[in-house]
Amino acid sequence: DQQVKQNSPSLSVQEGRISILNCDYTNSMFDYFLWYKKYPAEGPTFLISISSIKDKNEDGRFTVFLNKSAKHLSLHIVPSQPGDSAVYFCAADVGGNTPLVFGKGTRLSVIA
Amino acid sequence: DADVTQTPRNRITKTGKRIMLECSQTKGHDRMYWYRQDPGLGLRLIYYSFDVKDINKGEISDGYSVSRQAQAKFSLSLESAIPNQTALYFCATSDSGQWASGGYTFGSGTRLTVV
Repeated sequence: DQQVKQNSPSLSVQEGRISILNCDYTNSMFDYFLWYKKYPAEGPTFLISISSIKDKNEDGRFTVFLNKSAKHLSLHIVPSQPGDSAVYFCAADVGGNTPLVFGKGTRLSVIA
Repeated sequence: DADVTQTPRNRITKTGKRIMLECSQTKGHDRMYWYRQDPGLGLRLIYYSFDVKDINKGEISDGYSVSRQAQAKFSLSLESAIPNQTALYFCATSDSGQWASGGYTFGSGTRLTVV
């Protein structure tokens, strides 16, 4: 059973507009969430994270929102730029000695 | 030099051959991981190691084995490669519980094709 779900395989947004990438999870024990960005021919790189004790974390153009009651988090990119075109992975940590659990990823295309 | 180095970057091998993918890191992290990425399936964990004497299976370990030769080195082997092991393989490292600093550091990946 998939514990971290990214239900949109792809998303296309115009340059300058907002990109919203969604992630749902089923395990209420997750206490930390991370977003990674992956360009072709490169490994994923860390983008932004949020602890379960917060509902929002902002870093420049990137903001992650966490709704624990809905078991939902979203990544907002404002304004979107062509260089943001990549695959975005949502990941969650249950704590202790367990690896991160990743979603399947969402491919974002920002059109100039 | 990259913090996490994977070799080779690309490899084509024949069905039934044994192949080893290597990963080395300069981060000084204790924890290392092997993932594979397939289209539409995201990142799936193959094996992970929290220190040199610790090896754990991930969700898709069948057909794979690993060796943690040192804190900095973690190798993935396919004993007898089959075509459905064609994928992009990533090694990653992490410090324990340091999610605020970004969690995993990934290598650039190895693209493996089994024909």
